[in-house]
Amino acid sequence: ETGVTQSPTHLIKTRGQQVTLRCSSQSGHNTVSWYQQALGQGPQFIFQYYREEENGRGNFPPRFSGLQFPNYSSELNVNALELDDSALYLCASSFDRGIGELFFGEGSRLTVL
Amino acid sequence: GENVEQHPSTLSVQEGDSAVIKCTYSDSASNYFPWYKQELGKRPQLIIDIRSNVGEKKDQRIAVTLNKTAKHFSLHITETQPEDSAVYFCAALLNSGYSTLTFGKGTMLLVSP
Repeated sequence: ETGVTQSPTHLIKTRGQQVTLRCSSQSGHNTVSWYQQALGQGPQFIFQYYREEENGRGNFPPRFSGLQFPNYSSELNVNALELDDSALYLCASSFDRGIGELFFGEGSRLTVL
Repeated sequence: GENVEQHPSTLSVQEGDSAVIKCTYSDSASNYFPWYKQELGKRPQLIIDIRSNVGEKKDQRIAVTLNKTAKHFSLHITETQPEDSAVYFCAALLNSGYSTLTFGKGTMLLVSP
């Protein structure tokens, strides 16, 4: 069984730009959650996708948006990047909205200059 | 929403000593409490978890206890080894139509040889 994979692993953007991060969920998992982990902090919930629909959202502005595809892979899009968006973005997959273990990818480290 | 407090923020022990990390949560509806270990630059990895219908769970040198009445749970690591050095996160899962993990801010554990 394949694990959760994310791309790109590192990227640098400037303020005002847009970024798309990608995630392939673990085989058999239909739910993907995205988390933002700022330096020295715990991960914070951005949103969750279940069967291609947004299934819940944390306290993040609308410029954070996402998609889930029929194969359950997912994208996180961030528009109008701000310096505070610099963080590790973690994707986690689970089965049926995650009443249990989340399987995390290695993350995408975004630096906004 | 859920709020998770974690203490201490840093913990230094000698190899062979025990380490204890404590967390409290705010929402009594939370029903699943995982602990994650995150090494520098790596993904969070689940090391142990406990559900709200259980008071204690042990896996070799690691144990977790849960006090639902007091809304706190703790991680106990015995016979610590240098490879236990990492950041540890507690989390609480609240299932309110979708499952969201709320993380503590983390504890940096340093085990000295």
